[in-house]
Amino acid sequence: RKEVEQDPGPFNVPEGATVAFNCTYSNSASQSFFWYRQDCRKEPKLLMSVYSSGNEDGRFTAQLNRASQYISLLIRDSKLSDSATYLCVAAFGFVFGPGTRLSVLP
Amino acid sequence: SAVISQKPSRDICQRGTSLTIQCQVDSQVTMMFWYRQQPGQSLTLIATANQGSEATYESGFVIDKFPISRPNLTFSTLTVSNMSPEDSSIYLCTLSGLNQPQHFGDGTRLSIL
Repeated sequence: RKEVEQDPGPFNVPEGATVAFNCTYSNSASQSFFWYRQDCRKEPKLLMSVYSSGNEDGRFTAQLNRASQYISLLIRDSKLSDSATYLCVAAFGFVFGPGTRLSVLP
Repeated sequence: SAVISQKPSRDICQRGTSLTIQCQVDSQVTMMFWYRQQPGQSLTLIATANQGSEATYESGFVIDKFPISRPNLTFSTLTVSNMSPEDSSIYLCTLSGLNQPQHFGDGTRLSIL
């Protein structure tokens, strides 16, 4: 079993839709979690950290479920500019998930 | 956040040759890492660059193929040795503090002919 797993997608959604990604991790010792976005041919950029209590940043909401060992990312009111690959990271050994590709369509 | 400079930004190399990639940070950082991202794939951790000691390599990566140096807290190099087309990839230097998110350099896009 891979340490961090994500649905690779692609998720094709219309503008304005709400979309959610899940990411599961296998190492229960992981302490910190993050979501990154990566645009084509660019390096990953930190989108947000994921806190135990959940956190929100504008249209983006991240949740952590330690019991089930997964984290989620919710994007509301999708914009065309949200089209990217979203990578989750479990920071015990900094293992990246394979990424979920999102395409927001006009 | 710290500024990361990675050089070269891209290169095209002949098979059998070696290339050293440099990563310079504008402040002292505890942890530096080297990742590889092959075409269409996610990031794979190559090794943790330890200051003043040998790097810690992940499974599937060995020092003879990917020697790493970290002479101080602001600089590291990764050498890709005896390159083959399978080494064509983006190589990324990252830095982090304990339980902190990673910040990436722009990466080195390497193509092997």
